[in-house]
Amino acid sequence: DGGITQSPKYLFRKEGQNVTLSCEQNLNHDAMYWYRQDPGQGLRLIYYSQIVNDFQKGDIAEGYSVSREKKESFPLTVTSAQKNPTAFYLCASSIGSDTQYFGPGTRLTVL
Amino acid sequence: ILNVEQSPQSLHVQEGDSTNFTCSFPSSNFYALHWYRWETAKSPEALFVMTLNGDEKKKGRISATLNTKEGYSYLYIKGSQPEDSATYLCAAWGDYKLSFGAGTTVTVRA
Repeated sequence: DGGITQSPKYLFRKEGQNVTLSCEQNLNHDAMYWYRQDPGQGLRLIYYSQIVNDFQKGDIAEGYSVSREKKESFPLTVTSAQKNPTAFYLCASSIGSDTQYFGPGTRLTVL
Repeated sequence: ILNVEQSPQSLHVQEGDSTNFTCSFPSSNFYALHWYRWETAKSPEALFVMTLNGDEKKKGRISATLNTKEGYSYLYIKGSQPEDSATYLCAAWGDYKLSFGAGTTVTVRA
């Protein structure tokens, strides 16, 4: 089955910790994206990658970092510099400007 | 960032009734407009990708129209059913990324 997976589903972080959210796809898509959703708001773009070994900051990149060493994988690290990390995080992939396919999401809570 | 706005923020519709709502986006340098349906506890799912002015797409009881010259798209739900309850997101493509609106949450009452 082709698809996009995210893990873990729920994640708890202590103040000052870095945590990494996993995103894997087997759709052979070149482009991958990370979004954040807060209550009452739309999806906001954190980082995106059009091709392996290349990525760009989205609209709210501060306090986050990514890597794209493999086509299938686009992990997101939430660093201690992110002041308000509690949110729902969605990963997506696509072929260019075509339909984006979303993973099931990770809900991150800061304790 | 492309400024994408959706209205209304939420609406309630009686089962069997039809409804529609709006997405507005910058008309300059338009490339593509996406619609997604996001049901509770699920991932957003694509409904339509639209690129041509005047385009109209249909999927079952849901349809969408696109006006790129004035920068708006309508989503229509005909004969609403409880399973249509979801948040509907629109997004405009530009600079290799999508900019999303805040969504319209539709609740269908039996």
